[in-house]
Amino acid sequence: QKEVEQNSGPLSVPEGAIASLNCTYSDRGSQSFFWYRQYSGKSPELIMFIYSNGDKEDGRFTAQLNKASQYVSLLIRDSQPSDSATYLCAVRSIIQGAQKLVFGQGTRLTINP
Amino acid sequence: KAGVTQTPRYLIKTRGQQVTLSCSPISGHRSVSWYQQTPGQGLQFLFEYFSETQRNKGNFPGRFSGRQFSNSRSEMNVSTLELGDSALYLCASSRTRQVSSGNTIYFGEGSWLTVV
Repeated sequence: QKEVEQNSGPLSVPEGAIASLNCTYSDRGSQSFFWYRQYSGKSPELIMFIYSNGDKEDGRFTAQLNKASQYVSLLIRDSQPSDSATYLCAVRSIIQGAQKLVFGQGTRLTINP
Repeated sequence: KAGVTQTPRYLIKTRGQQVTLSCSPISGHRSVSWYQQTPGQGLQFLFEYFSETQRNKGNFPGRFSGRQFSNSRSEMNVSTLELGDSALYLCASSRTRQVSSGNTIYFGEGSWLTVV
C-alpha cells in the first residue's frame, strides 16, 4: 500500500463547478498535510496546509481533514481554466526524530470552459 | 523576499559523468530537502539537511549525495550518471524542522537534468 494515495485522474470539471480532490494516507501518526499545485513544466506551489480536523478555507479553496478516516481533500469552488494543473497531496510526519514528507502521485485536473 | 533559487535550471549530461546541483534557500530558512520528480515515480524524497547535517535520507543509491554549507545553501551531487537519472530535481526549504503551523516548505523552480 502506498503511503499517500491519490486518484491520478484526469479529472474533468466544467468551468464554474466545484472540483473535489481526495487523498488518503496510511501513517496514522501523520501530523500535517499540504496541497500543492503544479503546472506542467513548473515546480510545485503551495496552496494550503491543514493540521486540525475539519475544514480550512482560503478564498476559493477549502481543505478538509479527517484524521480518523485518514483522508484529506481539497475543494475548489467556481473552478477556472487557470486551475487546470496537477494537484499534489503531501503528508508530513516525524518518525524516530526524522521529518518525513511523502507526496502522492498527484491528480491531474482539467477545467473545461 | 526571494524564493528558493536553484542552479542550473537545465543541463544535459552523458552517461558516466557526474553533476552538481545548487540550491539557495529562502533567507532565514535552515532546512533544505531535495526531491526527484519523474513521470513514472512522481516526487520522491532524496535527503534533508539542517545545520549542515544530513537528517534524513530516502531510498536512493550512494551515487546520490549532498551537503549543506554554513549559510544554509545546499548542493547535491550525482556520480556515474545513468539514463534513469533524467528527472526534475527539486529543492525545498523551510524555516525549521519542526512540524508547526508556521513551518511550511517551499519549492524552487527545479533543475531539469537530461542524461544521454
